[in-house]
Amino acid sequence: AQSVTQLGSHVSVSEGALVLLRCNYSSSVPPYLFWYVQYPNQGLQLLLKYTSAATLVKGINGFEAEFKKSETSFHLTKPSAHMSDAAEYFCAVSRLSGGYQKVTFGTGTKLQVIP
Amino acid sequence: DAEITQSPRHKITETGRQVTLACHQTWNHNNMFWYRQDLGHGLRLIHYSYGVQDTNKGEVSDGYSVSRSNTEDLPLTLESAASSQTSVYFCASSPGHQSFYEQYFGPGTRLTVT
Repeated sequence: AQSVTQLGSHVSVSEGALVLLRCNYSSSVPPYLFWYVQYPNQGLQLLLKYTSAATLVKGINGFEAEFKKSETSFHLTKPSAHMSDAAEYFCAVSRLSGGYQKVTFGTGTKLQVIP
Repeated sequence: DAEITQSPRHKITETGRQVTLACHQTWNHNNMFWYRQDLGHGLRLIHYSYGVQDTNKGEVSDGYSVSRSNTEDLPLTLESAASSQTSVYFCASSPGHQSFYEQYFGPGTRLTVT
């Protein structure tokens, strides 16, 4: 079984401030982890993914995430928030089950950037 | 450029009617998925397919069906629309069965059942 927990359905930061979006996962096997972003009235698009090559993963738009096995976490960060970062962010975990890919999404965190 | 499209983008229908939402991808991906997105629930998997003629139920499949007659298309049918099926529906695809593959999402269909 696998699951994803995103702490905080809404996060507000000031423009220029650090962005930290939290994601904890549960998986019985080593997971592959993803962060997706959804802008208003659009589908999800990939921000970054962890595939065990490196624990610190850099993505698009200045975002990065660090895989911490001991904490079962994959938090998303960005040093300085921009107004264009306002969106909803989803963490997801993927593993093989019966030879097929199974993906579980978190419930999402809506990021508000205050000017 | 390869893409994944959904139609219609917006649909209003009445309770009890049959509705079909289209999903078409030109990535030539084997895997295709249908999700619904509701406030407080994130994305929930309705049905998925790992290839032509293959379909599987997800966690919220009651009242929905899919068919996969070719690689490109996975239409989602609501047999008898209910107000509880008012939601935003997303189609997605991925290349294959490895866990490291990300999913590629369509723009979504907003369905309202009155």
